[in-house]
Amino acid sequence: ETGVTQSPTHLIKTRGQQVTLRCSSQSGHNTVSWYQQALGQGPQFIFQYYREEENGRGNFPPRFSGLQFPNYSSELNVNALELDDSALYLCASRWDRGTDTQYFGPGTRLTVL
Amino acid sequence: EDQVTQSPEALRLQEGESSSLNCSYTVSGLRGLFWYRQDPGKGPEFLFTLYSAGEEKEKERLKATLTKKESFLHITAPKPEDSATYLCAVQANAGGTSYGKLTFGQGTILTVHP
Repeated sequence: ETGVTQSPTHLIKTRGQQVTLRCSSQSGHNTVSWYQQALGQGPQFIFQYYREEENGRGNFPPRFSGLQFPNYSSELNVNALELDDSALYLCASRWDRGTDTQYFGPGTRLTVL
Repeated sequence: EDQVTQSPEALRLQEGESSSLNCSYTVSGLRGLFWYRQDPGKGPEFLFTLYSAGEEKEKERLKATLTKKESFLHITAPKPEDSATYLCAVQANAGGTSYGKLTFGQGTILTVHP
């Protein structure tokens, strides 16, 4: 058990809708990253939040946005859903002054119809 | 741009048959190389972090090694419960301790038959 939880487990949306995914980090971890994992691929970095501010982003459009809260929870918001957004969304948390190891949650499986 | 390539894409072993998985990488200054295990439909489970060439780490039947261009995950006498996808990822030096982007390979799917 990593202490990182995500909700919901599964989600089905239709194209054009908006979705919010949630993550609760391990206690004391002040950095959270979000990744998208398409079927059969490795995870791809979406962005990172450190002390409630975004401080790094991968090659994802602005319709992917996030929030981090003081209680170690965070959100990933995706607007105007597209079919290609169907994937497993993973959050990972770490303590920035630790060993760099990121601990992943179980993921949210998003299906866009 | 950082890149990670894993081989083979899939590996089938008999129980007890030892083998190795390869992870080749290019990165603008390596901060760390990570190995994760992922079971179907679940999040990656942390296995090892390697920081410098020559470093080795072991855990049960698994041993990870690192050179300046690649890493190997050696599996000794595997059991069916070792069946999973093994992911390799690199983190580049970014000047500060807060930036932790991981660049992953596509993974190696390991199947161990009894």
